[in-house]
Amino acid sequence: DAGVIQSPRHEVTEMGQEVTLRCKPISGHNSLFWYRQTMMRGLELLIYFNNNVPIDDSGMPEDRFSAKMPNASFSTLKIQPSEPRDSAVYFCASTINTDTQYFGPGTRLTVL
Amino acid sequence: ELKVEQNPLFLSMQEGKNYTIYCNYSTTSDRLYWYRQDPGKSLESLFVLLSNGAVKQEGRLMASLDTKARLSTLHITAAVHDLSATYFCAVGAGGSQGNLIFGKGTKLSVKP
Repeated sequence: DAGVIQSPRHEVTEMGQEVTLRCKPISGHNSLFWYRQTMMRGLELLIYFNNNVPIDDSGMPEDRFSAKMPNASFSTLKIQPSEPRDSAVYFCASTINTDTQYFGPGTRLTVL
Repeated sequence: ELKVEQNPLFLSMQEGKNYTIYCNYSTTSDRLYWYRQDPGKSLESLFVLLSNGAVKQEGRLMASLDTKARLSTLHITAAVHDLSATYFCAVGAGGSQGNLIFGKGTKLSVKP
C-alpha cells in the first residue's frame, strides 16, 4: 500500500490567493482527518470525516477554511483567501474505525 | 472534554541514560497511541495500547498503560542519538470514528 498521499508537498503562495490541499487516504479506510502543525500551536485537528461525511469541523479556524470529501478516496482542504498566519504544515491522516491513524507526508504551506 | 498532558515537553539526555516520558489523560479511554516525529517529517506510529496493564516494547522503547490512573509511560533505555525526535501520545476520544486527542509532544534530544 502506498500509504496516505498528499499533494502538493510544498506550496508557496501570496496573501489573498486560494490554496487547495489534496489527500488520498489509504484504501479501505473509512475516517479521514486534517491536522495543522505549527511551532506555536502544535498539532491541531481541523476537521474529520467518517464515511465521507464531516463529523466535527470545530477545529476549522474560520470561514476561509473549507474541506470536502466527495468520495472515499479523495479529500481537499481549501483556504480562500489565504493569509500569512495560515503558514503551517498540513497533515492528512486516515484510519479504519478505531485503528491506528496513519499520517501522510504533509504539505508545507507558506503564505507570503 | 478529554485533555491529554505530556511531560516533560523538552528532554535533553545523555547517551546511555534511561528516562521516562509521561502521558496523563483526563477521562476514560479504551486506547492510547504513541507516535514519533522526526524534524521535518510526518508522524509515525510506534505503539498501540488497548488494555489496562498493556506493555509494548520495540528496541530501546517500552510503553505501558495504566487505565485506572489514566497514565501511560514511554520508557527509554540506554538512549542513543537516533532516538532524538518528538514523541506524541494520543488518546482515543470515544465513538467509532477513530478521533484522537494528541498531547503537545515531548522533544527528546540525545547528546553523545
